Amino acid sequence: GESVGLHLPTLSVQEGDNSIINCAYSNSASDYFIWYKQESGKGPQFIIDIRSNMDKRQGQRVTVLLNKTVKHLSLQIAATQPGDSAVYFCAESLGGSQGNLIFGKGTKLSVKP
Amino acid sequence: DGGITQSPKYLFRKEGQNVTLSCEQNLNHDAMYWYRQDPGQGLRLIYYSQIVNDFQKGDIAEGYSVSREKKESFPLTVTSAQKNPTAFYLCASSTVNRAGYTFGSGTRLTVV
Repeated sequence: GESVGLHLPTLSVQEGDNSIINCAYSNSASDYFIWYKQESGKGPQFIIDIRSNMDKRQGQRVTVLLNKTVKHLSLQIAATQPGDSAVYFCAESLGGSQGNLIFGKGTKLSVKP
Repeated sequence: DGGITQSPKYLFRKEGQNVTLSCEQNLNHDAMYWYRQDPGQGLRLIYYSQIVNDFQKGDIAEGYSVSREKKESFPLTVTSAQKNPTAFYLCASSTVNRAGYTFGSGTRLTVV
């Protein structure tokens, strides 16, 4: 499969446990943030997003937390399943005409059965 | 079903050859992007286009060229000037306000 996870930070969790993946973003002016999931050999898939006027947003089994004070973003996955094994990227955007997404390097999540 | 399609999935290039990677979307998105992904690294922006017949260089445009003759299509040519082209290439598209990108499934390019 695609070796996009080579040399990335790795988080290993037991099936059924909760996972927390962290991301430090670079620009204090960024106002939009996204988490993507990338499985081996595939393109990234949108998971959840959050705007800077919020500090928490929940989806199905996932929660994103935003701490603008320390420029930190986290993705929490509840009851982690083997199908959650992938590389997870955070991305930030300034929005407007400078709105191209800037991607972090990613974290590889491995779920042990 | 709307989506973004990249082809081919695997591509082999000989030294000194130009190759073109295809990206087509039927999402009616105005903006399209090309990224390069290397093992252990994040996505690096090669080129992007916000509108037909216009495109901008990204962070690593040297050795690449693009065209945007149609809204649906944004092909990427990897030229012989790109000295280290072996990588996974991802195309994406978005609405004009860039609220989230939709990615294709990628093309794996290998120099042989």
